[in-house]
Amino acid sequence: SQQGEEDPQALSIQEGENATMNCSYKTSINNLQWYRQNSGRGLVHLILIRSNEREKHSGRLRVTLDTSKKSSSLLITASRAADTASYFCATDRGYQKVTFGTGTKLQVIP
Amino acid sequence: GAVVSQHPSWVICKSGTSVKIECRSLDFQATTMFWYRQFPKQSLMLMATSNEGSKATYEQGVEKDKFLINHASLTLSTLTVTSAHPEDSSFYICSASLAGVNSPLHFGNGTRLTVT
Repeated sequence: SQQGEEDPQALSIQEGENATMNCSYKTSINNLQWYRQNSGRGLVHLILIRSNEREKHSGRLRVTLDTSKKSSSLLITASRAADTASYFCATDRGYQKVTFGTGTKLQVIP
Repeated sequence: GAVVSQHPSWVICKSGTSVKIECRSLDFQATTMFWYRQFPKQSLMLMATSNEGSKATYEQGVEKDKFLINHASLTLSTLTVTSAHPEDSSFYICSASLAGVNSPLHFGNGTRLTVT
């Protein structure tokens, strides 16, 4: 079963704007990961945040984790048309057996 | 580094035939690989965990006799869809990870299976 739920399901923004996606989950986790998927392709790992971390940055990406609320957010700053893709959160409860969220489809309009 | 190659990228087969999908870790050894299935506009569903040298572990509701998994070496896992039916048409993706806790997964590019 899918543990993570993401919102919004779809997001359309103008190039240069920031995009924020949220993920909620139900059980305790070792870490939470964010992945990106271009249409018809495999997933690309973006960032991993451990359960004892609250915020992490990587380039234009900022991820937060609130284990008390069982939620995470992914912020993409200064979006580009090339950021258009589906974004998934994935929770790892151990042994790297991750469970994926429902995904957010992001469209960045040039 | 950490490249996972999946082959074929797409395949069309007739009902009743079997199809084999390969997943290779090109520049690292993977004792564990994972197989997922993804329906259009949906998330990834974990099908099974492939363990090198031992039997795969299947998720609840996944028929192990239908989806045969073999992990004969540290760099290769195969998924065979046996006696395929149109409802097996889907996007199948594999992943592998470098050893260690809190390591990200590296994904193949997926295989689009169409059963006619």
